Amino acid sequence: AQSVTQLDSHVSVSEGTPVLLRCNYSSSYSPSLFWYVQHPNKGLQLLLKYTSAATLVKGINGFEAEFKKSETSFHLTKPSAHMSDAAEYFCVVSGSPGSARQLTFGSGTQLTVLP
Amino acid sequence: EAGVTQSPTHLIKTRGQQATLRCSPISGHTSVYWYQQALGLGLQFLLWYDEGEERNRGNFPPRFSGRQFPNYSSELNVNALELEDSALYLCASSSYHRSDWRGGQETKYFGPGTRLLVL
Repeated sequence: AQSVTQLDSHVSVSEGTPVLLRCNYSSSYSPSLFWYVQHPNKGLQLLLKYTSAATLVKGINGFEAEFKKSETSFHLTKPSAHMSDAAEYFCVVSGSPGSARQLTFGSGTQLTVLP
Repeated sequence: EAGVTQSPTHLIKTRGQQATLRCSPISGHTSVYWYQQALGLGLQFLLWYDEGEERNRGNFPPRFSGRQFPNYSSELNVNALELEDSALYLCASSSYHRSDWRGGQETKYFGPGTRLLVL
């Protein structure tokens, strides 16, 4: 079985300040982990993914995430927020046997960027 | 390269009617996944098709069905529509590598979605 918990439903930051979106996962096996972003009335766009290579993963638009097995975490960070980063972010886990390749989504974190 | 496309973008139906949603995967992708994003319920896995066959389905009633065509495009059909079927339906595609036996490592690319409103 696999599951993912996004610890904050809403995060608000000022433009130019760091972003931290928290995610904890549970998986019977070494998981694959993803972060997707969804802008209003849009589909999902892949930001980055972890698949057991380097634990620090760099994605698009300056985002990165670090896989920490001991903490079962995969937090998403960005050094400096931009107004265009305002969106909903989903942490996603995949790869557990029996989950037949479907993605399991967290409940999402709504990021607000203040001017 | 074209991404995943979905049609229509919006669909309005009344209770009891049937809805048909369509998805065209990225060229070369053989797997298509359907997800439902309903208000307050998050993103839920609906169906997975690969090589023309249904491989798995989520916890949805049988009135949610679909198929995959020889060109790997897919249809999602929802019969006997209920008000709670109102949601954004997202299609994703991926390329299945048999060496990735747990199937977790592939990247799934999502389309823009079809917003279904049931009145």
